[in-house]
Amino acid sequence: GAGVSQSPRYKVAKRGQDVALRCDPISGHVSLFWYQQALGQGPEFLTYFQNEAQLDKSGLPSDRFFAERPEGSVSTLKIQRTQQEDSAVYLCASSETGTLGHTQYFGPGTRLTVL
Amino acid sequence: GESVGLHLPTLSVQEGDNSIINCAYSNSASDYFIWYKQESGKGPQFIIDIRSNMDKRQGQRVTVLLNKTVKHLSLQIAATQPGDSAVYFCAENNGQNFVFGPGTRLSVLP
Repeated sequence: GAGVSQSPRYKVAKRGQDVALRCDPISGHVSLFWYQQALGQGPEFLTYFQNEAQLDKSGLPSDRFFAERPEGSVSTLKIQRTQQEDSAVYLCASSETGTLGHTQYFGPGTRLTVL
Repeated sequence: GESVGLHLPTLSVQEGDNSIINCAYSNSASDYFIWYKQESGKGPQFIIDIRSNMDKRQGQRVTVLLNKTVKHLSLQIAATQPGDSAVYFCAENNGQNFVFGPGTRLSVLP
């Protein structure tokens, strides 16, 4: 069956450019999460949606980061005026229910490199 | 030992031996824990989970042990195979979101 998909898989941006990263969760999954994973480290929470509602955005590192899920399915993570420290793998995960006590299924990630 | 930045702790085991990967979690109120396996270039893959009302849970070749007294989680892999080579992360649900540990690299020697 189809899992979580992300696009693009790789993105190279020049410093100052805006980027948009897409996540297609598992069909019917209520919850969607974005994480940032720096090289050699564990994923760090960015933001969480339950359907179209963004319930927690406490992990977004700055106001240059913006996420949306307007119809409660596909989500986009946008980074404005990218900086070198934004270089990382951005992971999306989805979960069947609206609570945090259930398994998250991850996509393959988008590797962002900011030059 | 703990990892800092790029220096992931590494566990090397002989093929066929059992592996034990440890994780210390931070929040005594966390009530749900997951172990993930991450291979190079891929997203984390669910292995096994455990809730705080249990202290042990078994899956196929894997066992997770939870010690709430010392806030410690371990993953045991029986008869380790070359395909088990990966980075393993524990994650805790602290009621707000999931917090991941720094990871342990498992290397299986032939």
